[in-house]
Amino acid sequence: DTAVSQTPKYLVTQMGNDKSIKCEQNLGHDTMYWYKQDSKKFLKIMFSYNNKELIINETVPNRFSPKSPDKAHLNLHINSLELGDSAVYFCASSLLSGKYNEQFFGPGTRLTVL
Amino acid sequence: AQSVSQHNHHVILSEAASLELGCNYSYGGTVNLFWYVQYPGQHLQLLLKYFSGDPLVKGIKGFEAEFIKSKFSFNLRKPSVQWSDTAEYFCAVNAAGTASKLTFGTGTRLQVTL
Repeated sequence: DTAVSQTPKYLVTQMGNDKSIKCEQNLGHDTMYWYKQDSKKFLKIMFSYNNKELIINETVPNRFSPKSPDKAHLNLHINSLELGDSAVYFCASSLLSGKYNEQFFGPGTRLTVL
Repeated sequence: AQSVSQHNHHVILSEAASLELGCNYSYGGTVNLFWYVQYPGQHLQLLLKYFSGDPLVKGIKGFEAEFIKSKFSFNLRKPSVQWSDTAEYFCAVNAAGTASKLTFGTGTRLQVTL
């Protein structure tokens, strides 16, 4: 029944490692997003995909690479992790063709880089 | 570019007190407005939204918000808070009619004491 799911929920890793976070939605939406929430709870958009095409790409280091194999999935791969990447990453989805483009959020992935 | 200001960073209220959280936005066009709530350790949940029509919108759990176009404001209210309302509250906007990102305010931490 979960609408937007993310795995893993927690991720603890060393600096310099490469890691991925997965997101899946079963709402039939056509647009997916990644947001980053820092230690001060500030939420900021990172990427957005519509029908597997990148439509929003904020100023994010090249070490972050989103991949959308299909409309229902948007994964986030991070290379050479740094301490500053520690944050909670939220996936969201919406129906662009819908009237309101209301976004639904996943439970978040808490990434800790040591 | 859009921006959102939430002036109250931390609010402490006793149970049964009335709540008003401020939200002001800056954007030249038509916007959709949202309030999200994040309970401790949980993901973002939509409290209410405004797209058009009646500027007073009612959401879940007894919350309401009023859109005042002339003031670029969308303040959140609740007549009588409960201890279970303790959470982080985020105001957000996106440009109406597009696949645009949500721009969030910095959040207001509400602490309700017994």
